[in-house]
Amino acid sequence: NAGVTQTPKFQVLKTGQSMTLQCAQDMNHNSMYWYRQDPGMGLRLIYYSASEGTTDKGEVPNGYNVSRLNKREFSLRLESAAPSQTSVYFCASSDPDRPSSYEQYFGPGTRLTVT
Amino acid sequence: RKEVEQDPGPFNVPEGATVAFNCTYSNSASQSFFWYRQDCRKEPKLLMSVYSSGNEDGRFTAQLNRASQYISLLIRDSKLSDSATYLCVVNEGGGYQKVTFGTGTKLQVIP
Repeated sequence: NAGVTQTPKFQVLKTGQSMTLQCAQDMNHNSMYWYRQDPGMGLRLIYYSASEGTTDKGEVPNGYNVSRLNKREFSLRLESAAPSQTSVYFCASSDPDRPSSYEQYFGPGTRLTVT
Repeated sequence: RKEVEQDPGPFNVPEGATVAFNCTYSNSASQSFFWYRQDCRKEPKLLMSVYSSGNEDGRFTAQLNRASQYISLLIRDSKLSDSATYLCVVNEGGGYQKVTFGTGTKLQVIP
Protein backbone atom coordinates (compact mmCIF):
# COMPACT_ATOMS: atom_id res chain seq x y z
CA ASN A 1 0.00 0.00 0.00
CA ALA A 2 1.26 3.45 -0.87
CA GLY A 3 -0.81 5.05 1.89
CA VAL A 4 -1.45 8.73 1.15
CA THR A 5 0.23 10.24 -1.89
CA GLN A 6 0.42 13.91 -2.86
CA THR A 7 1.52 15.70 -6.00
CA PRO A 8 3.43 17.82 -6.64
CA LYS A 9 6.11 17.76 -3.90
CA PHE A 10 7.26 21.31 -4.65
CA GLN A 11 5.68 24.21 -6.51
CA VAL A 12 6.49 27.87 -7.09
CA LEU A 13 3.67 30.13 -8.25
CA LYS A 14 3.41 33.78 -9.09
CA THR A 15 0.73 35.84 -7.38
CA GLY A 16 -2.58 35.36 -9.17
CA GLN A 17 -1.78 32.00 -10.71
CA SER A 18 -3.95 28.97 -10.00
CA MET A 19 -3.09 25.38 -9.29
CA THR A 20 -4.53 22.15 -7.95
CA LEU A 21 -2.87 19.96 -5.35
CA GLN A 22 -3.70 16.30 -5.76
CA CYS A 23 -4.13 13.74 -3.00
CA ALA A 24 -5.00 10.06 -3.13
CA GLN A 25 -5.24 7.31 -0.52
CA ASP A 26 -5.46 3.57 -0.97
CA MET A 27 -6.59 2.62 2.54
CA ASN A 28 -10.32 2.80 1.79
CA HIS A 29 -10.73 5.60 4.34
CA ASN A 30 -13.93 7.60 4.40
CA SER A 31 -12.51 10.85 5.77
CA MET A 32 -9.91 13.04 4.11
CA TYR A 33 -8.40 16.37 5.11
CA TRP A 34 -6.28 19.22 3.84
CA TYR A 35 -4.02 21.07 6.27
CA ARG A 36 -1.47 23.81 5.98
CA GLN A 37 1.53 24.06 8.27
CA ASP A 38 3.29 27.34 8.94
CA PRO A 39 6.13 28.03 11.37
CA GLY A 40 4.81 28.66 14.88
CA MET A 41 1.19 28.00 13.82
CA GLY A 42 0.91 24.25 13.86
CA LEU A 43 -1.27 22.33 11.45
CA ARG A 44 -4.45 24.17 10.53
CA LEU A 45 -7.39 22.49 8.83
CA ILE A 46 -8.38 24.02 5.50
CA TYR A 47 -11.15 21.67 4.37
CA TYR A 48 -12.24 18.18 5.17
CA SER A 49 -14.44 15.53 3.62
CA ALA A 50 -16.21 13.16 5.97
CA SER A 51 -17.22 10.87 3.11
CA GLU A 52 -17.37 10.69 -0.65
CA GLY A 53 -19.55 13.47 -1.98
CA THR A 54 -19.32 15.76 1.05
CA THR A 55 -16.92 18.56 1.88
CA ASP A 56 -16.87 21.14 4.66
CA LYS A 57 -14.83 24.14 5.67
CA GLY A 58 -12.22 23.91 8.33
CA GLU A 59 -10.42 26.65 10.23
CA VAL A 60 -8.81 28.50 7.29
CA PRO A 61 -10.82 27.89 4.07
CA ASN A 62 -10.57 31.33 2.45
CA GLY A 63 -8.79 31.28 -0.90
CA TYR A 64 -9.20 27.53 -1.38
CA ASN A 65 -11.66 25.11 -2.93
CA VAL A 66 -11.77 21.34 -2.75
CA SER A 67 -13.21 18.42 -4.66
CA ARG A 68 -13.79 14.92 -3.35
CA LEU A 69 -13.60 13.24 -6.72
CA ASN A 70 -14.24 9.74 -5.37
CA LYS A 71 -13.45 7.83 -2.22
CA ARG A 72 -9.73 7.77 -3.02
CA GLU A 73 -9.06 11.31 -4.21
CA PHE A 74 -9.38 14.73 -2.60
CA SER A 75 -7.96 17.75 -4.41
CA LEU A 76 -7.24 21.28 -3.19
CA ARG A 77 -7.42 24.22 -5.58
CA LEU A 78 -5.94 27.67 -5.24
CA GLU A 79 -7.84 29.88 -7.69
CA SER A 80 -5.68 32.99 -7.36
CA ALA A 81 -2.56 32.36 -5.34
CA ALA A 82 -1.36 34.95 -2.83
CA PRO A 83 1.96 35.18 -0.96
CA SER A 84 0.06 34.44 2.29
CA GLN A 85 -0.60 30.97 0.88
CA THR A 86 3.09 30.11 0.94
CA SER A 87 3.12 27.07 3.19
CA VAL A 88 3.51 23.32 3.43
CA TYR A 89 0.28 21.53 2.57
CA PHE A 90 -0.53 18.12 3.95
CA CYS A 91 -3.32 15.81 2.93
CA ALA A 92 -4.48 13.22 5.46
CA SER A 93 -7.03 10.45 5.71
CA SER A 94 -8.65 8.53 8.52
CA ASP A 95 -11.25 5.94 9.23
CA PRO A 96 -13.24 7.27 12.19
CA ASP A 97 -15.33 4.12 12.30
CA ARG A 98 -12.37 2.15 13.61
CA PRO A 99 -13.06 1.56 17.27
CA SER A 100 -9.45 1.41 18.38
CA SER A 101 -8.16 4.80 17.48
CA TYR A 102 -8.62 7.93 15.49
CA GLU A 103 -5.31 8.00 13.68
CA GLN A 104 -4.79 10.33 10.76
CA TYR A 105 -2.39 9.19 8.04
CA PHE A 106 -0.54 11.97 6.29
CA GLY A 107 0.89 12.36 2.84
CA PRO A 108 4.47 13.62 2.36
CA GLY A 109 3.37 17.21 1.83
CA THR A 110 3.58 19.84 -0.89
CA ARG A 111 5.90 22.80 -0.36
CA LEU A 112 4.31 25.79 -2.07
CA THR A 113 5.93 29.17 -2.54
CA VAL A 114 3.97 32.09 -3.93
CA THR A 115 6.06 35.04 -5.11
CA ARG B 1 -5.92 31.15 24.96
CA LYS B 2 -4.85 28.60 22.35
CA GLU B 3 -6.90 25.42 22.21
CA VAL B 4 -3.81 23.25 22.50
CA GLU B 5 -0.59 24.64 23.92
CA GLN B 6 2.90 23.21 23.98
CA ASP B 7 6.30 24.53 24.95
CA PRO B 8 8.06 24.90 21.57
CA GLY B 9 11.48 24.09 23.03
CA PRO B 10 13.97 23.18 21.80
CA PHE B 11 14.78 20.66 24.46
CA ASN B 12 18.45 19.73 24.11
CA VAL B 13 19.20 16.58 26.08
CA PRO B 14 22.15 14.16 26.15
CA GLU B 15 21.77 10.59 24.99
CA GLY B 16 20.40 8.39 27.73
CA ALA B 17 18.55 11.21 29.48
CA THR B 18 14.88 11.21 30.42
CA VAL B 19 12.80 14.06 29.05
CA ALA B 20 9.17 15.01 29.54
CA PHE B 21 6.84 17.22 27.53
CA ASN B 22 3.52 18.61 28.65
CA CYS B 23 0.59 19.84 26.63
CA THR B 24 -2.49 21.69 27.88
CA TYR B 25 -5.88 21.83 26.19
CA SER B 26 -8.76 24.22 26.72
CA ASN B 27 -11.83 22.19 25.79
CA SER B 28 -12.86 20.12 28.78
CA ALA B 29 -15.18 18.07 26.55
CA SER B 30 -12.26 16.78 24.44
CA GLN B 31 -12.60 13.11 23.83
CA SER B 32 -9.28 11.62 22.80
CA PHE B 33 -5.65 12.55 22.79
CA PHE B 34 -2.56 11.64 20.85
CA TRP B 35 1.12 12.30 20.44
CA TYR B 36 2.46 12.55 16.90
CA ARG B 37 6.07 12.71 15.85
CA GLN B 38 7.25 14.89 12.96
CA ASP B 39 10.76 14.64 11.60
CA CYS B 40 12.31 17.63 9.86
CA ARG B 41 10.61 18.30 6.52
CA LYS B 42 8.49 15.16 6.84
CA GLU B 43 4.85 14.42 7.54
CA PRO B 44 3.49 13.84 11.06
CA LYS B 45 3.09 10.24 12.15
CA LEU B 46 1.19 8.82 15.10
CA LEU B 47 3.49 8.01 18.02
CA MET B 48 0.88 6.88 20.51
CA SER B 49 -2.62 7.42 21.73
CA VAL B 50 -3.12 8.68 25.28
CA TYR B 51 -5.57 6.85 27.49
CA SER B 52 -7.08 7.93 30.79
CA SER B 53 -5.25 5.15 32.58
CA GLY B 54 -1.95 6.12 30.98
CA ASN B 55 -0.09 3.94 28.56
CA GLU B 56 3.43 2.85 27.83
CA ASP B 57 5.15 1.76 24.66
CA GLY B 58 8.75 0.79 25.25
CA ARG B 59 10.65 3.89 26.33
CA PHE B 60 7.63 6.13 25.83
CA THR B 61 4.95 6.80 28.44
CA ALA B 62 1.90 8.98 27.88
CA GLN B 63 -0.42 10.23 30.59
CA LEU B 64 -3.67 12.17 30.67
CA ASN B 65 -4.87 14.41 33.50
CA ARG B 66 -8.44 15.41 32.71
CA ALA B 67 -8.90 17.42 35.90
CA SER B 68 -6.02 19.72 34.99
CA GLN B 69 -6.53 19.35 31.25
CA TYR B 70 -3.06 18.32 30.26
CA ILE B 71 -1.33 15.37 28.69
CA SER B 72 2.30 14.41 29.00
CA LEU B 73 4.89 12.40 27.15
CA LEU B 74 7.90 10.89 28.91
CA ILE B 75 10.84 9.54 26.95
CA ARG B 76 13.34 7.43 28.84
CA ASP B 77 16.88 6.57 27.75
CA SER B 78 16.80 9.08 24.88
CA LYS B 79 18.32 8.02 21.58
CA LEU B 80 19.72 10.20 18.83
CA SER B 81 16.91 8.91 16.65
CA ASP B 82 14.35 10.46 19.02
CA SER B 83 15.32 13.91 17.74
CA ALA B 84 12.15 15.28 16.18
CA THR B 85 9.21 17.57 16.88
CA TYR B 86 6.47 16.07 19.03
CA LEU B 87 2.93 17.24 18.33
CA CYS B 88 0.17 17.09 20.89
CA VAL B 89 -3.18 16.35 19.24
CA VAL B 90 -6.63 16.65 20.76
CA ASN B 91 -9.81 15.26 19.29
CA GLU B 92 -12.69 17.46 20.42
CA GLY B 93 -15.33 15.22 18.91
CA GLY B 94 -18.35 16.71 17.30
CA GLY B 95 -19.81 16.18 13.87
CA TYR B 96 -16.52 15.74 12.07
CA GLN B 97 -14.34 14.75 14.96
CA LYS B 98 -12.56 18.09 15.23
CA VAL B 99 -8.87 17.49 15.70
CA THR B 100 -6.59 20.26 16.90
CA PHE B 101 -2.82 20.07 16.63
CA GLY B 102 -0.41 21.78 18.97
CA THR B 103 2.49 23.68 17.44
CA GLY B 104 4.92 21.02 18.60
CA THR B 105 7.88 20.64 20.95
CA LYS B 106 11.27 20.21 19.37
CA LEU B 107 13.61 17.64 20.89
CA GLN B 108 17.29 17.45 20.04
CA VAL B 109 19.21 14.53 21.54
CA ILE B 110 22.91 15.27 21.71
CA PRO B 111 25.67 12.62 21.55
